[in-house]
Amino acid sequence: NAGVTQTPKFQVLKTGQSMTLQCAQDMNHEYMSWYRQDPGMGLRLIHYSVGAGITDQGEVPNGYNVSRSTTEDFPLRLLSAAPSQTSVYFCASSYRPGPGIRNYGYTFGSGTRLTVV
Amino acid sequence: SQQGEEDPQALSIQEGENATMNCSYKTSINNLQWYRQNSGRGLVHLILIRSNEREKHSGRLRVTLDTSKKSSSLLITASRAADTASYFCATSYGNKLVFGAGTILRVKS
Repeated sequence: NAGVTQTPKFQVLKTGQSMTLQCAQDMNHEYMSWYRQDPGMGLRLIHYSVGAGITDQGEVPNGYNVSRSTTEDFPLRLLSAAPSQTSVYFCASSYRPGPGIRNYGYTFGSGTRLTVV
Repeated sequence: SQQGEEDPQALSIQEGENATMNCSYKTSINNLQWYRQNSGRGLVHLILIRSNEREKHSGRLRVTLDTSKKSSSLLITASRAADTASYFCATSYGNKLVFGAGTILRVKS
């Protein structure tokens, strides 16, 4: 049971380049989310998904796309990287709250540290 | 603006003392969760309290929730040096989980 796996762990991009941050979970969680963490600002929600085929915008969605073709995978795409997107990105997942679900706290990946130059 | 705000921003205590962190939020919630983050690591879920609960315990952790004041507190009793970390409250509303800016806790041995 690997939990939430994020790749890569580190990435340097040039302004204008595009890339995809990968996130995979093996816990059959319905909910998945992407956050960015900047110093002094905590975690800000970028996009989230409540199940395969369903995505929605969070607090800071501009410049990012997501898709959820399977329950396991939730990739985050940077369309045209900008220095303002330099951050640490976290993917997280949880069960959908409901009958029989006792623990629906989120499980986090270890993060991707992205630098845009 | 963020949904939740923690207070204080930073807290420094001696080992063995209790640590209290507070969280205020703005909208009605489904539940409120607390997380810990050690330096350079991902977040770890500590405890969840539902909107119809007022207090919850887990080991040395005690969480209270006052929905009328839209606030929560996390108490860590008999703190240890290993409790040194950032602590975040997160509020669940709709299908989203939104975090505050966190409290940095330093426990001195």
